[in-house]
Amino acid sequence: QLVLTQSPSASASLGASVKLTCTLSSGHSNYAIAWHQQQPEKGPRYLMKLNSDGSHSKGDGIPDRFSGSSSGTERFLTISSLQSEDEAEYYCQTWGTGMGVFGGGTKLTVL
Amino acid sequence: QVQLQESGPGLVQSSETLSLTCTVSGYSIASGYFWGWIRQPPGKGLEWIGSIFHSGTTYYNPSLKSRVTISADTSKNQFSLELSSVTAADTAVYYCARDVAEIALRWFDPWGQGTLVTVSS
Repeated sequence: QLVLTQSPSASASLGASVKLTCTLSSGHSNYAIAWHQQQPEKGPRYLMKLNSDGSHSKGDGIPDRFSGSSSGTERFLTISSLQSEDEAEYYCQTWGTGMGVFGGGTKLTVL
Repeated sequence: QVQLQESGPGLVQSSETLSLTCTVSGYSIASGYFWGWIRQPPGKGLEWIGSIFHSGTTYYNPSLKSRVTISADTSKNQFSLELSSVTAADTAVYYCARDVAEIALRWFDPWGQGTLVTVSS
């Protein structure tokens, strides 16, 4: 069964960097994922597509501060030079056999 | 610039059918892409409901399949969601989104702003 696992919360200081993790269930290490950002009281926004080899393509207008990388079943979203507007929920998402699958989300707090 | 806007009743009675419409601007849905519905219960994560291709082919979340119908009206550049026999568990913000498909992945971009639907007993 295809499952995406995310830590419920993360925090980092203003101006610092943070690396969020999305873990694919065993046997799915070749799956690509997408990262989405949901700021408080807003709809989600697509950030990037991230392939199993770490290559990624970002959505329109997504700053260079956002990058992705991969290792085995783990998919990472790194945000550098954290800004206050980066405080949000971050969801990973993939596609299984005929259906969309979301991770549970990571709430990022910018200190 | 593609934009999506959800519309429909904000309150639905338990056991009745929830009906929402997504109006797309900046792109003709008849030209391609899948178009999807995703929901988010209050304080919880995202759940994919289903998607429709412009030709009418549909994909549904197996957990909701028996109650869901997604349809498209290309003349109005809209697609719609019907969810039957609703209960309080169906209370959520409902989002529509373009469902972008490549060989290795499908993802949602852009998203609508969402509409809250409350199921009352």
